[in-house]
Amino acid sequence: EAGVTQFPSHSVIEKGQTVTLRCDPISGHDNLYWYRRVMGKEIKFLLHFVKESKQDESGMPNNRFLAERTGGTYSTLKVQPAELEDSGVYFCASSQRSERYEQYFGPGTRLTVT
Amino acid sequence: GQSLEQPSEVTAVEGAIVQINCTYQTSGFYGLSWYQQHDGGAPTFLSYNALDGLEETGRFSSFLSRSDSYGYLLLQELQMKDSASYFCAHNQAGTALIFGKGTTLSVSS
Repeated sequence: EAGVTQFPSHSVIEKGQTVTLRCDPISGHDNLYWYRRVMGKEIKFLLHFVKESKQDESGMPNNRFLAERTGGTYSTLKVQPAELEDSGVYFCASSQRSERYEQYFGPGTRLTVT
Repeated sequence: GQSLEQPSEVTAVEGAIVQINCTYQTSGFYGLSWYQQHDGGAPTFLSYNALDGLEETGRFSSFLSRSDSYGYLLLQELQMKDSASYFCAHNQAGTALIFGKGTTLSVSS
């Protein structure tokens, strides 16, 4: 069984540019989550999809961040325009409907905004 | 607010036993999870406690006391490969994970 995959693994962009991160969850997992870890700080929740619907987006920092999950499969997280404080590692995770406490994480996308 | 407190660093030697504590302050507590992360890679699930008591999975055990808002991860027979960051986390509203800042465990020979 393939795990959670994320693309790209690294992205370096300039302030003001746009970046789109992609996450492919484990097949059959209805729940998809985005998290972010800024250097030296804890992993923070951004948002949660159940299939194609946003269940909880309370962790999204501002309206420069837009997440989608069309068709309930893969998800994208777009940052537009990027700011310096957006730098960090963005993790995607997925879980089965009944075991939300056991989440399977992808390897992350390391975003550097210069 | 919601917070989980854990030590920032722990050191131990191979073969030893180490306990990583986690105290939490939350609303709507569902259970306490533990995750391991090597070198900034993908966090991997270790264990989950929904009820008070001890859960054992091989060399790792996890404990929860809901009345004390406290839990711990116990690692036995430490190996070099156990050097990693360990995070306690709880489920917010049963869905999103709220993480502690992580404990860096260094195992030496």
